[in-house]
Amino acid sequence: ELKVEQNPLFLSMQEGKNYTIYCNYSTTSDRLYWYRQDPGKSLESLFVLLSNGAVKQEGRLMASLDTKARLSTLHITAAVHDLSATYFCAVEKVGGGADGLTFGKGTHLIIQP
Amino acid sequence: GAVVSQHPSWVICKSGTSVKIECRSLDFQATTMFWYRQFPKQSLMLMATSNEGSKATYEQGVEKDKFLINHASLTLSTLTVTSAHPEDSSFYICSAKNLAGNPYEQYFGPGTRLTVT
Repeated sequence: ELKVEQNPLFLSMQEGKNYTIYCNYSTTSDRLYWYRQDPGKSLESLFVLLSNGAVKQEGRLMASLDTKARLSTLHITAAVHDLSATYFCAVEKVGGGADGLTFGKGTHLIIQP
Repeated sequence: GAVVSQHPSWVICKSGTSVKIECRSLDFQATTMFWYRQFPKQSLMLMATSNEGSKATYEQGVEKDKFLINHASLTLSTLTVTSAHPEDSSFYICSAKNLAGNPYEQYFGPGTRLTVT
């Protein structure tokens, strides 16, 4: 059974600070996704990581993937209030067909002025 | 491009009744759609994988007779919650893959909030 663990589950930080969210998963996969969810809304795709060593950046967010360690990170640089949201990582089973995603529990991020 | 819609966006129904939720890919064809459920302040859980023209594949613990899924065309999948009970109240989100586009991307609908009274 594929398991995805995120930490921390809750993070309160000040604007301007840097922080990292970690995502560990239990079985072989090279498809790792990061999503953002605002309260009452659906998911917004942030990053799709498809290979070992993949690194993607968008604004103040940067995601990386280490398939050997089964670890992905989402790094926040110089946080701003608008980044307050819940962030999910998700892993797709590598089964050859179309597979649904297994999500981590999410990291509830609050960025205070 | 790659827009997924859901209808209705929210619905309230009485216990014992059935409710249908639609998931449409508006500008692309999707052989596969997925249905997820999210309880308040929790993560998303995959319920089932919906394939056009064939029976849906349900995840362990999801009652197929209670959550009926029909994927009648390349742009429409429906989820019917039968004999709904208050514990079925949740946020239901579908996603779809674009055949002709990025095979790794899943496009999520805006979700349907179901409240069973």
